Amino acid sequence: KQEVTQIPAALSVPEGENLVLNCSFTDSAIYNLQWFRQDPGKGLTSLLLIQSSQREQTSGRLNASLDKSSGRSTLYIAASQPGDSATYLCAVLSGSRLTFGEGTQLTVNP
Amino acid sequence: DTAVSQTPKYLVTQMGNDKSIKCEQNLGHDTMYWYKQDSKKFLKIMFSYNNKELIINETVPNRFSPKSPDKAHLNLHINSLELGDSAVYFCASRPQGHNEKLFFGSGTQLSVL
Repeated sequence: KQEVTQIPAALSVPEGENLVLNCSFTDSAIYNLQWFRQDPGKGLTSLLLIQSSQREQTSGRLNASLDKSSGRSTLYIAASQPGDSATYLCAVLSGSRLTFGEGTQLTVNP
Repeated sequence: DTAVSQTPKYLVTQMGNDKSIKCEQNLGHDTMYWYKQDSKKFLKIMFSYNNKELIINETVPNRFSPKSPDKAHLNLHINSLELGDSAVYFCASRPQGHNEKLFFGSGTQLSVL
């Protein structure tokens, strides 16, 4: 059974810092890994999707990497802004099942 | 023009009642999901349908019954509601294919009193 773990559970940084969120998964037989953002009281928004054959994906200030063999992914956020404050979740697709981590709650202080 | 829409957004009800949550997607996606997010914000899959056919049933109590009248709709009916059913329920959809992004609805916050 796939298990997804995210560390840290919470992170508070001053504006402008670069930061890294971590995600690990137990079964490397995945099709892809996605990073999502969830704002309070809202649904999830997909940020980046990395296919199993890929090593990284970039979108603006976000860069996600994938090391499938070691079961790890990182989400790098450059020059963080208060508007980046949210919960970030990673999820892996195995078969038809998308399994989520518990998320990292990020606070970027002005 | 909302892509994945759920109704209602909030649902407050008494224990023992029966309630339904509706989900519709206008994206033409083949696969739809129901997820439950508990008080600790952990998202757990409940059901998945592909072209109206159930493909995942994650050992959810049989008080929960999904219904997919067509591939654009996946409704969730809950019988005999219990206190522990209080959570936020999310509907999601994605196209066929393994490397397609998942799109979420905005959630239904269910409170059982």
